[in-house]
Amino acid sequence: AQKVTQAQTEISVVEKEDVTLDCVYETRDTTYYLFWYKQPPSGELVFLIRRNSFDEQNEISGRYSWNFQKSTSSFNFTITASQVVDSAVYFCALIHLSGSRLTFGEGTQLTVNP
Amino acid sequence: GAGVSQSPSNKVTEKGKDVELRCDPISGHTALYWYRQSLGQGLEFLIYFQGNSAPDKSGLPSDRFSAERTGGSVSTLTIQRTQQEDSAVYLCASSQGGVASYEQYFGPGTRLTVT
Repeated sequence: AQKVTQAQTEISVVEKEDVTLDCVYETRDTTYYLFWYKQPPSGELVFLIRRNSFDEQNEISGRYSWNFQKSTSSFNFTITASQVVDSAVYFCALIHLSGSRLTFGEGTQLTVNP
Repeated sequence: GAGVSQSPSNKVTEKGKDVELRCDPISGHTALYWYRQSLGQGLEFLIYFQGNSAPDKSGLPSDRFSAERTGGSVSTLTIQRTQQEDSAVYLCASSQGGVASYEQYFGPGTRLTVT
């Protein structure tokens, strides 16, 4: 069985603050993929990043960075210098190599205030 | 290019009626997924189609739910005898193939309200 936990239900920050969204997962598989998706108020899920279980290198894309630590089964997402447009619900998800379905966390509602 | 499209965007129906929700995947994508997003249940997998293989229906919550994919492209999710607990946003996604590494691209969803 797989499980993804996003313990932070809601986070509120002021613009330009850095913010980290936590994601912890459980799986018995040794090969799997982790994802982050953004769901803005419009409702459409937007793909942000994919990471496979053998690649623990951190990744940076502009103001976004991801920290994958297999030892703690965590895949955290940091937004640097947050902006109002970052306000959205963010979902962490997992799929195992031979799987077909994404298992999503509960989501974290991020509100960035001007 | 065009993304995943879904129709209708909103659907209000009376309890007991049947509804059909449509999904047009990204052109060339062979894998198609349906998920449901509701308060209290989060995002739940419903069904998965890959090419000509038998679909994975293991996420369908009851036999009132069914889905088809015609010609390897458009998919229709049908809910018979709708119940109030079926109220949710139904999301369709597609990916390049059935390999887990491919990211799934989501449509805007159909908001279903059962009164």
